Amino acid sequence: AQTVTQSQPEMSVQEAETVTLSCTYDTSESDYYLFWYKQPPSRQMILVIRQEAYKQQNATENRFSVNFQKAAKSFSLKISDSQLGDAAMYFCAYRTTQGGSEKLVFGKGTKLTVNP
Amino acid sequence: IAGITQAPTSQILAAGRRMTLRCTQDMRHNAMYWYRQDLGLGLRLIHYSNTAGTTGKGEVPDGYSVSRANTDDFPLTLASAVPSQTSVYFCASSKIQGSGSPLHFGNGTRLTVT
Repeated sequence: AQTVTQSQPEMSVQEAETVTLSCTYDTSESDYYLFWYKQPPSRQMILVIRQEAYKQQNATENRFSVNFQKAAKSFSLKISDSQLGDAAMYFCAYRTTQGGSEKLVFGKGTKLTVNP
Repeated sequence: IAGITQAPTSQILAAGRRMTLRCTQDMRHNAMYWYRQDLGLGLRLIHYSNTAGTTGKGEVPDGYSVSRANTDDFPLTLASAVPSQTSVYFCASSKIQGSGSPLHFGNGTRLTVT
């Protein structure tokens, strides 16, 4: 079964600085998708970024980018020019097709604090 | 506004009682999912449905049941609630399989079983 590991339960960053959140995963599949979701205190789950495993180019969405290392099974999220509104729980997720359905397997999350 | 609606937003329930969490989507997504979120454990899949009329078990299905009578609705039932089912429950949906589409989430239901 696929597993997703986020080794940093908590991280903090100064406003306007850059922070990187780590994520590793375990899989035997060759084609899959990876996601980062943000969960602010409102509890809403917000998609931040999506990466297709067969694409070597790292996905980017404005201030958010990923460092996707397929061989190392690593999928880190970099937030540039951090803003107070970036404070949230961040979840890394792997989309698997095993078991007859495309399900997301989530890591346990990283709580990001942004200091003014 | 298109999306997923969950009800209730929160609920306090006595142990042993039956409870159904409601989930409705208006995006015509084929697949729907129920996750529970617990502190330090992330989100864990309870049940899923690939399409109307079919359901499957996720990682933590015990004590829960689901049905998918139509495309839009995917209710989650706790037949006899226990305190360990205290959690935040998220319903989600996604487009057709094989597309790598992201999951769209509802705003969650906070359930407390006393």
